Amino acid sequence: DQQVKQNSPSLSVQEGRISILNCDYTNSMFDYFLWYKKYPAEGPTFLISISSIKDKNEDGRFTVFLNKSAKHLSLHIVPSQPGDSAVYFCAGRAAGNKLTFGGGTRVLVKP
Amino acid sequence: EAGVVQSPRYKIIEKKQPVAFWCNPISGHNTLYWYRQNLGQGPELLIRYENEEAVDDSQLPKDRFSAERLKGVDSTLKIQPAELGDSAVYLCASSLGPRDTQYFGPGTRLTVL
Repeated sequence: DQQVKQNSPSLSVQEGRISILNCDYTNSMFDYFLWYKKYPAEGPTFLISISSIKDKNEDGRFTVFLNKSAKHLSLHIVPSQPGDSAVYFCAGRAAGNKLTFGGGTRVLVKP
Repeated sequence: EAGVVQSPRYKIIEKKQPVAFWCNPISGHNTLYWYRQNLGQGPELLIRYENEEAVDDSQLPKDRFSAERLKGVDSTLKIQPAELGDSAVYLCASSLGPRDTQYFGPGTRLTVL
């Protein structure tokens, strides 16, 4: 039972353009959603989060949108930079700070 | 400030051998997590500690996996005996409290031959 799904395993985008990463979930009990970024041979690094009672959260170049009725969230990165090339994981948080992660989306930003 | 420290970074063993992973969380972080990440998948929680107490070990395969967090700081995760399917990256994370942001270590990549 995959509670969090990232249906696009990879994404390629030109430097300066927008990257849009999508995530779908099934568990209505998630109270927060988080995005983590992972470089090779490193652990995931927290990027941005959104409460389930909000529909948008913005932090610099990163914006997360939540559509609760569709059980869908997305991460927008604009403008994309070569240093953004990494694997991005979406996660839902349930009771006890338990994170359930999606399978990740590999982003490649081309110069 | 030092991040979450894990060792070893890489480990190769033969099946049926024991293996142990060590984690030192960020100073002052009371909550510690062990995750397993299989190739091409996201991390999956194995166990969560609040100080020295394991408060969620429902996903830990208890027939071969064990963990401890003596004195509520460092933690060790052990597999005995290891199986081929245990090949994965084992990640340790910590947070200040039970509802705070989790910070991950670099992980231990285990290969079971």
